[in-house]
Amino acid sequence: DAEITQSPRHKITETGRQVTLACHQTWNHNNMFWYRQDLGHGLRLIHYSYGVQDTNKGEVSDGYSVSRSNTEDLPLTLESAASSQTSVYFCASRPGLNTEQYFGPGTRLTVT
Amino acid sequence: QKEVEQNSGPLSVPEGAIASLNCTYSDRVSQSFFWYRQYSGKSPELIMSIYSNGDKEDGRFTAQLNKASQYVSLLIRDSQPSDSATYLCAVKGDSSYKLIFGSGTRLLVRP
Repeated sequence: DAEITQSPRHKITETGRQVTLACHQTWNHNNMFWYRQDLGHGLRLIHYSYGVQDTNKGEVSDGYSVSRSNTEDLPLTLESAASSQTSVYFCASRPGLNTEQYFGPGTRLTVT
Repeated sequence: QKEVEQNSGPLSVPEGAIASLNCTYSDRVSQSFFWYRQYSGKSPELIMSIYSNGDKEDGRFTAQLNKASQYVSLLIRDSQPSDSATYLCAVKGDSSYKLIFGSGTRLLVRP
C-alpha cells in the first residue's frame, strides 16, 4: 500500500549539531509539507514544496531548510540545532490543490 | 483574530451521546474543509472532508458546513470512549496550497 514514512521516529541531539529528518511518500504526490507541533501552538508550517526543485518557507522556517530532488522525498534539515527546536515534527503530502492531506507518523526530536 | 478557531475543551460527553465540535474561520474565500482526529502521541488522521454547504455523513460522523456564517462542525453520533482524542479543524483558502489548522478541541467520552 502507498504510504508516508518518517525517520527516525525519535532523535536526541546536542545543541549546535546538524540534524536531518527524512520524509518519504509512495503516493507520487506533488505537494509535501513539514510541520512542527508544540503544546500551546498547534501545528505550524515550516516549509513546503509543490514539486521537484520547488521549496517555500512557511511561518516558522528560521533555522530549517528543505530540498526536493525527487517526488518521493522531502528531507528537513536543522542547520544548527537549538533547544527551541525540541518538538514533534510531522511530514504531510497531498496530490492537488483542493485534495485531502495525509500525515506521516511523526518524529520526536529532543535537542539537549 | 485567529484564522481558524476552535474551543480547546475538553468537551466531555457520556458514552452513546452526540458530540458536537465547532470551528469558525476568517477567510471568506475558503474552499476546502477538513476534520482530523489526533490521539495523544500520534499523528493527525483525516476523518472527514467537506467542500460545499450542507451536511456530509460518513458512518457515525457528520460534517456540516455553512460558508455564509463561516463555520464548520463535526457531529459524532453514538460516541465511544475510543473517540476520545483531539479533533483538529483545517481550512484551505482559495489560491494557497496551505492548510490552516485550528488548535484543536479535546473530546472526552465517559464510559
